[in-house]
Amino acid sequence: AQKVTQAQTEISVVEKEDVTLDCVYETRDTTYYLFWYKQPPSGELVFLIRRNSFDEQNEISGRYSWNFQKSTSSFNFTITASQVVDSAVYVCALSDPGAQKLVFGQGTRLTINP
Amino acid sequence: DSGVTQTPKHLITATGQRVTLRCSPRSGDLSVYWYQQSLDQGLQFLIQYYNGEERAKGNILERFSAQQFPDLHSELNLSSLELGDSALYFCASSVDIEEIDTQYFGPGTRLTVL
Repeated sequence: AQKVTQAQTEISVVEKEDVTLDCVYETRDTTYYLFWYKQPPSGELVFLIRRNSFDEQNEISGRYSWNFQKSTSSFNFTITASQVVDSAVYVCALSDPGAQKLVFGQGTRLTINP
Repeated sequence: DSGVTQTPKHLITATGQRVTLRCSPRSGDLSVYWYQQSLDQGLQFLIQYYNGEERAKGNILERFSAQQFPDLHSELNLSSLELGDSALYFCASSVDIEEIDTQYFGPGTRLTVL
């Protein structure tokens, strides 16, 4: 069965610090997709990134970067120079090709203090 | 704004009652997914529809049912409500079932059962 583990339940840092959110996944599929979503206090889920299992290149988008390592089954997310507006719950998800559904981790609550 | 709309935003009802949650997918998206987010279970997949047909079922209770209409909007019906059904219910949509496409989420409906 597929599984996503986000071991960090809560992280609190001071503004401008860099922070890395961990995501470890389990799957027997050779083709799969990984996602990160942001859930701000307002509650909606905002799509951040989608990565397929054949593309291990790291990705950078502004202050956000993602490190995908198949060898360790990890897809970690780093925010550089964090800002208060980054405060949210961040959720990692794994695709289930058979059912098209997403399997989610429990999420990491990130608090950026001014 | 993801383009997925959900109504109502909030719903407060009593145990034993029945409610209907509504979702309109993004323009052009044929797949609709329903997820439940509760404090103890996290985000759980309930059911998926593609172009009017049920395609996958997850942890959906028998008291719950869903359908997708010809105009592609979807409704999730929850009946004989229990206190434990209180949760945030998300609808998501994606373009194509043939590949693992990004699911874009609506703002959610917060259901409170008293």
